[in-house]
Amino acid sequence: EDQVTQSPEALRLQEGESSSLNCSYTVSGLRGLFWYRQDPGKGPEFLFTLYSAGEEKEKERLKATLTKKESFLHITAPKPEDSATYLCAVQAIQGAQKLVFGQGTRLTINP
Amino acid sequence: EAQVTQNPRYLITVTGKKLTVTCSQNMNHEYMSWYRQDPGLGLRQIYYSMNVEVTDKGDVPEGYKVSRKEKRNFPLILESPSPNQTSLYFCASGRGAEAFFGQGTRLTVV
Repeated sequence: EDQVTQSPEALRLQEGESSSLNCSYTVSGLRGLFWYRQDPGKGPEFLFTLYSAGEEKEKERLKATLTKKESFLHITAPKPEDSATYLCAVQAIQGAQKLVFGQGTRLTINP
Repeated sequence: EAQVTQNPRYLITVTGKKLTVTCSQNMNHEYMSWYRQDPGLGLRQIYYSMNVEVTDKGDVPEGYKVSRKEKRNFPLILESPSPNQTSLYFCASGRGAEAFFGQGTRLTVV
């Protein structure tokens, strides 16, 4: 069964304090790994797709990386507006219709 | 502007009273899906649809029905809601990198 585990569950940082969020996964053949951002009271918004180990994607202060077992979302010099819940999801090659989500990491950036 | 519209945003209902949550998209996507989001469990897929008249069960389909009579609409039906269906529901249009989520429907069943 495909599984996704995110850690930590919650993370509180000071503005400018860099850190990383982890997404560990087990899947029978990875079609893609996705990162989403979710603000309170809203639906998830797409951030990145990663398809193969070694791949990296960047957007502003965020960089996502992928290995064969996990993905990291690195946040460099975060600002309060980066506060949100970050969700990781995988899509398997077989039964490729479905996204399997982790529980999310709730990130708070204090000014 | 790409949009997924869910209605209602908030709903309180009583056990056993049938209800429908509507979902509409304007992106001409063939694939649509419904999720529920619960604390500590993340987003779990309820049903999905590959195209008009083509639907299939996700991970947690018990107690739910869907229909796909038109490409743009994908309503979620609770024939006899129970308290364990109290949750935050999201409709999504498209897959993976193309997935757009609605604003969510917070359902409380008492």
